[in-house]
Formats: sequence, structure tokens, C-alpha cells
Amino acid sequence: NAGVTQTPKFQVLKTGQSMTLQCAQDMNHEYMSWYRQDPGMGLRLIHYSVGAGITDQGEVPNGYNVSRSTTEDFPLRLLSAAPSQTSVYFCASSYSASGLSYNEQFFGPGTRLTVL
Amino acid sequence: AQSVTQLGSHVSVSEGALVLLRCNYSSSVPPYLFWYVQYPNQGLQLLLKYTSAATLVKGINGFEAEFKKSETSFHLTKPSAHMSDAAEYFCAVILTGGKLIFGQGTELSVKP
Repeated sequence: NAGVTQTPKFQVLKTGQSMTLQCAQDMNHEYMSWYRQDPGMGLRLIHYSVGAGITDQGEVPNGYNVSRSTTEDFPLRLLSAAPSQTSVYFCASSYSASGLSYNEQFFGPGTRLTVL
Repeated sequence: AQSVTQLGSHVSVSEGALVLLRCNYSSSVPPYLFWYVQYPNQGLQLLLKYTSAATLVKGINGFEAEFKKSETSFHLTKPSAHMSDAAEYFCAVILTGGKLIFGQGTELSVKP
């Protein structure tokens, strides 16, 4: 198992450019999510998905879009990048999203994004 | 809303000393709580989790945490710090539907 994979590892954008951060998992997990990590703020949830075709907003969704057409993939789109989106982005997945699930979330290695 | 608060953004200990990282939660129902560790330039790795089966939870690398309902706490401890424990540690709580909410993180430094 490759686990959770993210591409690219590093990216530099100019303000206003668009891009997609890729996330894939090979564990047949229902639940997938995107976080951003900023110094002193921990990880904040951007968007999440409880299964193919179902997505919802987290704590900080503005400026980001997601879709979940397959169980394996959960891409994060920045339509018009802003300097405030400079951050490290992590994708995570877990087995089930049902009820008060306490299943472990598995994290990818992260994408370090800089917006100039 | 459920949340977690980590007391202290930086903790420094000497090698061999006790490690204590503090986490308090706010919840009206028994929570499911986690500690994750992040080594430099890496993703997050699960250290341990509390799921109401036992109040003292043992994790990897000699870490453990005790759930105290009366104090709404879930502090992380390790009897003897090792240089390899230097990392950032996150406490987290899981909400209905599987959303994981993190504390602000505590950076642990270990001095030789």
C-alpha cells in the first residue's frame, strides 16, 4: 500500500494563478479531508468528503474547491491563488465517517505552497 | 462546539527528563481524543487515541496519555525524553461525521 499520496511536494504560484493539489489513497477509505497548516494555528480543516460524490466545508473553505468523483481521489483546487493561501497542505483519509467514528486518520506527506 | 486547547506552544526538556504536554478539551459528551506527532518536514503520525475503553492510553515510542473527565484533560507524558522525541505534537478531537479538529500544537525540544 502506498497509503496517502500527494503531489506536488512543492509549488510556487503567482497571485491569481490557479492550480490543483492532488491527493490519492489506496486503502478504500470512505472519508477524506484537506487541512492547511500555518505556524501557531495547528491544522485547520478546509473541506472533507464522506464518500464519492459527497463533499462539505470545513473551518476555512473560502478560496478552495473540491470534488470526489472516485473513492481514491480527492483533489483540492485553488481558482485564483492569493498570498494568504501560502501554507502547507495535508490530505488525510480514514476508513469510515459514520457517526462518532474514532478511526485513525492517515496523513499524506504534504504540499508546501508559496503564493507570491 | 467541541474543541481542544494545548497549553504551551513550546516545551523544552533535558534528555532523560519527564515530558508533559498539556491538552484540555471542551465537550458536552464523552469525546474521542487523539495525539499526533509531526517530525520535521513530514506528515502527521498517530501516537495514541482515547476511545473510552480505558482512561490510561499507551501509545508508540513510550508515550501515554490519561483521560481525566473531571479536569477535561488528556495530557501526554513520557517518563524519559530522548533526542528523537523532538517534534511537534498535536492534540485533536473527532466530531460527529468524522471531522478531526486540532489544537494549536506544541513544539517539543530536547536538550542534550
